[in-house]
Amino acid sequence: QVHLQESGPGLVKPSQTLSLTCSVSGGSISSGGYYWTWVRQHPGKGLEWIGYIYHTGSTHFNPSLESRVTMSVDTSKNQFSLRVNSVTADDTAVYYCARQGAGDYYLDYWGQGTLVSVSS
Amino acid sequence: QSVLTQPPSVSAAPGQKVTISCSGSSSNIGNNYVSWYQHLPGAAPKLLIYDNNKRPSGIPDRFSGSRSGTSATLDITGLQTGDEADYYCGTWDSSLTGGVFGGGTKLTVL
Repeated sequence: QVHLQESGPGLVKPSQTLSLTCSVSGGSISSGGYYWTWVRQHPGKGLEWIGYIYHTGSTHFNPSLESRVTMSVDTSKNQFSLRVNSVTADDTAVYYCARQGAGDYYLDYWGQGTLVSVSS
Repeated sequence: QSVLTQPPSVSAAPGQKVTISCSGSSSNIGNNYVSWYQHLPGAAPKLLIYDNNKRPSGIPDRFSGSRSGTSATLDITGLQTGDEADYYCGTWDSSLTGGVFGGGTKLTVL
């Protein structure tokens, strides 16, 4: 059973950088075959796809966020990370990491999510 | 606003059936597989349906999905109080070149 767990600061100041890490257990990121994905949910709203990273470091982002988002992967720690720079209150959301099969259109395992608030 | 359109809420009595709709366009539902997720507060979203109508191992056959044209539906039969949750549809959008989701539907089992 694959398990994903998000971690990172719960509070970020406006204009600063939001950084989150997703730790994966029960499966190896380096084995390939999956896109490691980030999704967020604004308070009271639906889900928003942020983007994904492959074990090779190849990435694909939501065009609406592409200019502010970076992702990285650390296969030695079996972790992948998300960074969103120049955050505003509109980036306040619950952030989820999840796994998508390469060539598939669904997310089969998700983390429980972590709330990140942007406030001074 | 979400790319895919779902009703904000649905309700039904225990034991009954409920249908949740998900409407999109030719760039998403019309040409890509649809998935459905169950989200209980504070928990990780759970995959219920993938590739329009397939169930992952462990998901009871009370949950079923279908797609027709640019719309998809999730049916839940034999409703149980434990089914109370938010339900989301999702797919890929070939024009936006990214994943897209519905706004979610809150199911209340009366």
